[in-house]
Amino acid sequence: GNSVTQMEGPVTLSEEAFLTINCTYTATGYPSLFWYVQYPGEGLQLLLKATKADDKGSNKGFEATYRKETTSFHLEKGSVQVSDSAVYFCALKDASGAGSYQLTFGKGTKLSVIP
Amino acid sequence: GAGVSQSPRYKVAKRGQDVALRCDPISGHVSLFWYQQALGQGPEFLTYFQNEAQLDKSGLPSDRFFAERPEGSVSTLKIQRTQQEDSAVYLCASSSSSGDTGELFFGEGSRLTVL
Repeated sequence: GNSVTQMEGPVTLSEEAFLTINCTYTATGYPSLFWYVQYPGEGLQLLLKATKADDKGSNKGFEATYRKETTSFHLEKGSVQVSDSAVYFCALKDASGAGSYQLTFGKGTKLSVIP
Repeated sequence: GAGVSQSPRYKVAKRGQDVALRCDPISGHVSLFWYQQALGQGPEFLTYFQNEAQLDKSGLPSDRFFAERPEGSVSTLKIQRTQQEDSAVYLCASSSSSGDTGELFFGEGSRLTVL
């Protein structure tokens, strides 16, 4: 079956530090990959996505590259801000077939950025 | 409203009670999903509707769980004879597409605590 493994949190960084949150996956076929973010008191929202190998998703200064050879989709940001404090979820979706609309999520990584 | 609305936000039930959780998706969104998020875990798929049709209920953990979307808009997740293991946050999400893009809009969730 499909699964997503992301680095354990919580992660605490100082403002302007470099961020990496690791995510690896197991899937049959060629899934689409996502990062969702949950800010305090809000629902999950899509941060970025990539649908095929070597695609790079980017948004709000965050980036992640779909690496088929390492089955990874690590999230990076060059300079974090206090407003980036949130829980980040890596997720995948099968490309086709039964259940192709289901998202499989990792456990989430809580990021705290201190001034 | 502009986003996905869920009610109640918090529900405390005694073991054995029935509960009903409501989801009001973004107007016009065809697809509606329910996910269950246990403490410290990522969301797990429960069920999927396309308009009023429930196309997949494979994630419902037992026959005590029932979901409906009779008019293709508002949905209700019902849990009968609640058990302590049902304690979780129940997330509703909607999408304007048929659901296969993985780009979902989530509500803030309904937190259920079973005593």
